[in-house]
Amino acid sequence: NAGVTQTPKFQVLKTGQSMTLQCAQDMNHEYMSWYRQDPGMGLRLIHYSVGAGITDQGEVPNGYNVSRSTTEDFPLRLLSAAPSQTSVYFCASRLGQTQETQYFGPGTRLLVL
Amino acid sequence: AQSVTQPDIHITVSEGASLELRCNYSYGATPYLFWYVQSPGQGLQLLLKYFSGDTLVQGIKGFEAEFKRSQSSFNLRKPSVHWSDAAEYFCAVGAKTGRRALTFGSGTRLQVQP
Repeated sequence: NAGVTQTPKFQVLKTGQSMTLQCAQDMNHEYMSWYRQDPGMGLRLIHYSVGAGITDQGEVPNGYNVSRSTTEDFPLRLLSAAPSQTSVYFCASRLGQTQETQYFGPGTRLLVL
Repeated sequence: AQSVTQPDIHITVSEGASLELRCNYSYGATPYLFWYVQSPGQGLQLLLKYFSGDTLVQGIKGFEAEFKRSQSSFNLRKPSVHWSDAAEYFCAVGAKTGRRALTFGSGTRLQVQP
């Protein structure tokens, strides 16, 4: 198993540009989530999904969209990037809704100029 | 709402010395508790977790943590630190049921001196 994979590893955007951060898992996990990591703030939840076709907001959802058309993929879209979205983004997955072990991808480092 | 506090932003220890990283949580019932480690430029790796039962849990790389309900704490310990343990450590809390994801502390950065 490849586990949780994320692409790209690093991206530079200009303010107002859009992009999609890709996340995929091959463990048949129902639950997937996106976090952003900022210095001194730990990881904050952006959006999560409990299964294909079901998504919900986390604590910092503004400026981000998600969809879950398949069990494997959970892309994160930035519609109009802002400098405040400069961060490291982590995708994670776990088997179900109870708190089994959560597996993290390697992260995407995003810089918005 | 659940929350996690890691009061130490940065800790420096000498190689071979013992280590304790503090974690306090706020949650209405018995939570699920986790410690993750993040090496520079890497993702998060699970060190250990507490779901129920024995309050002293063993993890990978020689780490252990003790759940103390009365103190709402879940401190991470290691008897002898190795240079390779230098990393950032995150405590996290989650509900036993429901849709919510984990809530993370702000992290403690560990530096190991030779």
